[in-house]
Amino acid sequence: RKEVEQDPGPFNVPEGATVAFNCTYSNSASQSFFWYRQDCRKEPKLLMSVYSSGNEDGRFTAQLNRASQYISLLIRDSKLSDSATYLCVVLAPGYSTLTFGKGTMLLVSP
Amino acid sequence: DTAVSQTPKYLVTQMGNDKSIKCEQNLGHDTMYWYKQDSKKFLKIMFSYNNKELIINETVPNRFSPKSPDKAHLNLHINSLELGDSAVYFCASSQDLAGAYGYTFGSGTRLTVV
Repeated sequence: RKEVEQDPGPFNVPEGATVAFNCTYSNSASQSFFWYRQDCRKEPKLLMSVYSSGNEDGRFTAQLNRASQYISLLIRDSKLSDSATYLCVVLAPGYSTLTFGKGTMLLVSP
Repeated sequence: DTAVSQTPKYLVTQMGNDKSIKCEQNLGHDTMYWYKQDSKKFLKIMFSYNNKELIINETVPNRFSPKSPDKAHLNLHINSLELGDSAVYFCASSQDLAGAYGYTFGSGTRLTVV
């Protein structure tokens, strides 16, 4: 089983749609979770951290399910500018480094 | 004011050459990293340094040698470049070794070996 798995997509949605991505991770002891966004030919940028209680930032909602070892990202009212690759990122315990999923591509069309 | 800056942005070179990529962060972070993103877009850790000390060295050929002269700089030297080294190399930094607040990435160096 890969450490962090995501559906690569692409997810094609119209503007205004709601879209959700899921991600699973293999290390049950993982402690920190993030969603990063990467635009074409750009660096990954932190979108939001994912907390056990779930968290929301504007149109974006992240959820963590430790029992099932998955993380989700919900985007409401999609904008054209949301088109990007969304990377699920997990930090294992100890002196580890961020482990990235391969990303899910989102294409929002007019 | 760029937080994590890498140079050069693009690098095209012939097989067998030696090249260096430089990275600097002005965030006051303790820990710096090199990641490689291959043609399949998979981001993989290569090295991490904490306060100039090597912490993680993943399975990377020893043609790759990182150097950290101080905690704000982490350079990557590559000897005898091969076609398979073509990728985008990202430098990143985090507040501390735990990385619990995530990483800040540089804009990447696109290396093409011909």
